[in-house]
Amino acid sequence: GNSVTQMEGPVTLSEEAFLTINCTYTATGYPSLFWYVQYPGEGLQLLLKATKADDKGSNKGFEATYRKETTSFHLEKGSVQVSDSAVYFCALRPMDSSYKLIFGSGTRLLVRP
Amino acid sequence: GAVVSQHPSWVICKSGTSVKIECRSLDFQATTMFWYRQFPKQSLMLMATSNEGSKATYEQGVEKDKFLINHASLTLSTLTVTSAHPEDSSFYICSATLDTYTDTQYFGPGTRLTVL
Repeated sequence: GNSVTQMEGPVTLSEEAFLTINCTYTATGYPSLFWYVQYPGEGLQLLLKATKADDKGSNKGFEATYRKETTSFHLEKGSVQVSDSAVYFCALRPMDSSYKLIFGSGTRLLVRP
Repeated sequence: GAVVSQHPSWVICKSGTSVKIECRSLDFQATTMFWYRQFPKQSLMLMATSNEGSKATYEQGVEKDKFLINHASLTLSTLTVTSAHPEDSSFYICSATLDTYTDTQYFGPGTRLTVL
């Protein structure tokens, strides 16, 4: 079946450090892949997405590349800020679904000044 | 941007009572709303999909008589947990979309339910 696995948190970094949050998936064919972010007290927000292999999604300095060969969609940012502290969710939308999202368990990021 | 609210943000109830959670799209009309459940340190799991004016579609394993969903207008969907038990304690999250074929779902902040 379809599933998403992401690294357990919390991930604690100092400001300006490099961030990687790993995400791998299991799905048939070519699902669409997403990263959502949830800031404290708010709903999940779409951060970036990629809909086909080798696509790179990017937003707010974050990037993730759709790697079909490794079934991965790792989230990266070159220099994190305190304001990036949040919970990050990796998700996929199966090829045969127009709307259904399957989420990973979320990774909490804490950035210290 | 599109904003989705939920009410209440948290609720504590006694076992056997029913609890209603509201999900509202504040600045857009949502043809489709989704209800998710999240256990601690686990994924969001889709419970059901509701379209305005029609019956909700429940995911496999979700009891439709236990979790009543009503989508009476284009801006409001409600989830009622009937005869709640401690195992129903969880974080319930709704999302809304303009149509079923878009990638973008707008999420509410969630409702934490604790059943004593």
